[in-house]
Amino acid sequence: DAKTTQPTSMDCAEGRAANLPCNHSTISGNEYVYWYRQIHSQGPQYIIHGLKNNETNEMASLIITEDRKSSTLILPHATLRDTAVYYCIVRKENNNDMRFGAGTRLTVKP
Amino acid sequence: GAGVSQSPSNKVTEKGKDVELRCDPISGHTALYWYRQSLGQGLEFLIYFQGNSAPDKSGLPSDRFSAERTGGSVSTLTIQRTQQEDSAVYLCASSHLAGGPYEQYFGPGTRLTVT
Repeated sequence: DAKTTQPTSMDCAEGRAANLPCNHSTISGNEYVYWYRQIHSQGPQYIIHGLKNNETNEMASLIITEDRKSSTLILPHATLRDTAVYYCIVRKENNNDMRFGAGTRLTVKP
Repeated sequence: GAGVSQSPSNKVTEKGKDVELRCDPISGHTALYWYRQSLGQGLEFLIYFQGNSAPDKSGLPSDRFSAERTGGSVSTLTIQRTQQEDSAVYLCASSHLAGGPYEQYFGPGTRLTVT
């Protein structure tokens, strides 16, 4: 699976949009981009995934560049409860494991 | 509905002892995964079960680690002769294969401390 690069940490003001970038320049055509987050002392939580098109659900939006070499997770109105480590993962459709890197530690501040 | 559950939530054991960690996946999910997470680190894949197929054990760090999944549901991860470096949070996840990309649902984890 392609390797991903994310900033170590980010801050965001409560109520503002949080934009979390991820680089995956070696992504191949059959690899999906997944985002998970992990709130302190809890198991990871699925957020969203996509292949080529931008995706939106009740939690977030995923913007994938046309060349698919990078993506951005957008939390439109961040709350204090969104403080967590956010993981960007790239993997093939039926791979058995999710290779989590160090992720981005997002801190939402009042 | 009920999510993935794991037990115990915390386990403290002495070096050299064996431990068993349990995972109850979401009902109907055919795939089950074990990961471990050391303090401040990302997740490390350990093993994967899918239906009646042979498990993917490629992530097990040593032969002291083994896992079973009985009846396609509950899974047990066993660590024999525990070492201090085995201390970590052990996470279980399950997913429902629907012929395409699928998300994994994680349990709360078991925090293992080897003294």
